[in-house]
Amino acid sequence: NAGVTQTPKFQVLKTGQSMTLQCAQDMNHEYMSWYRQDPGMGLRLIHYSVGAGITDQGEVPNGYNVSRSTTEDFPLRLLSAAPSQTSVYFCASRSLGVMDTEAFFGQGTRLTVV
Amino acid sequence: GENVEQHPSTLSVQEGDSAVIKCTYSDSASNYFPWYKQELGKRPQLIIDIRSNVGEKKDQRIAVTLNKTAKHFSLHITETQPEDSAVYFCAASNGNRDDKIIFGKGTRLHILP
Repeated sequence: NAGVTQTPKFQVLKTGQSMTLQCAQDMNHEYMSWYRQDPGMGLRLIHYSVGAGITDQGEVPNGYNVSRSTTEDFPLRLLSAAPSQTSVYFCASRSLGVMDTEAFFGQGTRLTVV
Repeated sequence: GENVEQHPSTLSVQEGDSAVIKCTYSDSASNYFPWYKQELGKRPQLIIDIRSNVGEKKDQRIAVTLNKTAKHFSLHITETQPEDSAVYFCAASNGNRDDKIIFGKGTRLHILP
C-alpha cells in the first residue's frame, strides 16, 4: 500500500520553464490537494479537488493549474516557473464522508527555480 | 475564507515539562480541527484531531481542547521527550462546505536536555 506518491522528489527549473508535479494515491480518496511550504509561512493551499472532474482554488492559486481526470491522480502544473515558486510542495489526500478524516501527505517535492 | 492563527512560532521547553500551542480560527462554521507533526525533512503526519461536538480529547501524553465560543483550540504535550522536537501545525476544516483544510503557520518545538 503506497499511500500518496509524489514525483519527482527534487527539481531545478529555469525561470520561464514549465513542468508538472505528479501526485497519485491508491486509497480511493475523493479529496486531493496541493500545498506549498515556505519558511515561516506554514502550509498554504494551492488547489484542491473533491472528486474527478472537480477542482477549486485554494489560498495561493496564481501561477498553478490542476486537473483531476481520475480519482487516483492530481497533477500540478507550473506553466511558466518564477523564482517565487521555489518551495517544497506537498500533495495530500483524504476520504470524504459523514465524518471528517485525516489527510495523508506525500513525501514532498523540493522545487528550486533559478 | 477561513484563517487560522497559531502561536507561538517557536517554543523551547525543558525535557519533562509541558508544552502548549494555541490556535484561533475565523470561520465559526469550521467543525474539524486536526494537529500535524512534521519532523525535519519529513512529511506532516496527523497526531490528534478534534471535532466541534467535543470539547477535549486526549491520547497518552497529548491532548487537544476546543472552545467553539471563543474560536480557539490548543495542543497540550505533557512530560515532553526529545522525540517531541518537531514543527507542529494546527488546521481547520468545514466538512459541510468544501472540505478544504487550512493550516496555521506552524510552531517549532525544541525540547531542551
